[in-house]
Amino acid sequence: QSVLTQPPSVSGAPGQRVTISCTGSSSNIGADYDVHWYQQLPGTAPKLLIYGNNNRPSGVPDRFSGSKSGSSASLAITGLQAEDEADYFCQSYDSSLSGFYVFGTGTKVTVL
Amino acid sequence: EVQLVTSGGGLAKPGGSLRLSCAASGFTFSSYSFSWVRQAPGKGLEWVSSITSSGSFISYADSVKGRFTISRDNARNSLDLQMNSLRDEDTAIYYCAGILAGENWFDPWGQGTLVTVSS
Repeated sequence: QSVLTQPPSVSGAPGQRVTISCTGSSSNIGADYDVHWYQQLPGTAPKLLIYGNNNRPSGVPDRFSGSKSGSSASLAITGLQAEDEADYFCQSYDSSLSGFYVFGTGTKVTVL
Repeated sequence: EVQLVTSGGGLAKPGGSLRLSCAASGFTFSSYSFSWVRQAPGKGLEWVSSITSSGSFISYADSVKGRFTISRDNARNSLDLQMNSLRDEDTAIYYCAGILAGENWFDPWGQGTLVTVSS
């Protein structure tokens, strides 16, 4: 069961900007644990997209950016491209008894 | 090339057992903690279990505690997950994923292996 809440879907036309929210609680994001984001293309394993709230691994385009405030975080995709159509998951660490690593519910990004 | 290759998935009956393996190459295996993360068909990601770089600390999700056992062999650069007393709800793709020491994000990921529990 997912502890972090994301919208099920977002969509945008090519070139537009879309954002995905990730809402947690006082035992995870609100406890000042970092948020990380993963992109999962259809039929493939997740891939690290953003780590430590707003850092991009080598090779990830700067169209992807992350932010965090309070118990929530956001992923923004600017200049949306067809190849960005995928599922996106946020992830953090949780200090409660429910688990150590927690994921978001996932968001499907559709490029119109 | 950094690579995690997962194997061992397949069909098992409820109450049965399977053993998953993950072979690492292209990076310093002993510098990473490792986890198993699963994804039920059409669903999100669920953390299953983790083991620290030396194997000294192990943790499990409540949903698998007492049924699954994680282990690693730093000499062979390999990670295993022994799954016993399987249930229908364990049906999922199982991914192994590395966590660099001192960090808490997952990178790299294996390609995943499908476990189907059905009578």
